[in-house]
Amino acid sequence: GDSVTQMEGPVTLSEEAFLTINCTYTATGYPSLFWYVQYPGEGLQLLLKATKADDKGSNKGFEATYRKETTSFHLEKGSVQVSDSAVYFCALSVTGGGNKLTFGTGTQLKVEL
Amino acid sequence: DTAVSQTPKYLVTQMGNDKSIKCEQNLGHDTMYWYKQDSKKFLKIMFSYNNKELIINETVPNRFSPKSPDKAHLNLHINSLELGDSAVYFCASQDTAGSYEQYFGPGTRLTVT
Repeated sequence: GDSVTQMEGPVTLSEEAFLTINCTYTATGYPSLFWYVQYPGEGLQLLLKATKADDKGSNKGFEATYRKETTSFHLEKGSVQVSDSAVYFCALSVTGGGNKLTFGTGTQLKVEL
Repeated sequence: DTAVSQTPKYLVTQMGNDKSIKCEQNLGHDTMYWYKQDSKKFLKIMFSYNNKELIINETVPNRFSPKSPDKAHLNLHINSLELGDSAVYFCASQDTAGSYEQYFGPGTRLTVT
């Protein structure tokens, strides 16, 4: 079956530090890949996505590149802010599988001054 | 205007009771989902409906019964509530005609005592 593995948290960084959250996947078909963010007490928001190999998704300074050869979609940001503190979820969706999202376990990020 | 709304936001009830959670989307999407987020933040698909028809049922106990009166609404009824049903339930809708992005509601935190 389809699955997503992401690094365990929590991750604690100082403001302006570089962020990487690792994500790898296994899929029976050709998946689209997503990063969702959940701020405290809120629902999930799409942060970025990529639908084919070598695509780079980007938003709000965050980036992730769809690497088919390593089945990875690592999230990066060059300089984090306190407002980036949230839980980040890597997810995949395979067309024909009902388009459901299969999520990783989530990685909590805490950014301190 | 809220794109995906859920009611109630919080629900506290006793074991054995029956309760419903409502979800409405005003995005004109054809597909809607219910996800369950447990205490460790893990998200898992429960159901998916497309144009009022059930297309995904992820081995959820039959105490859970989704109902879609029209394509803008997907309600979740839970019979004989158990302690293990305590979680945050998220509704989502999907643009299957375009980006395939899923839009999430704010969540309903269910606490069974």
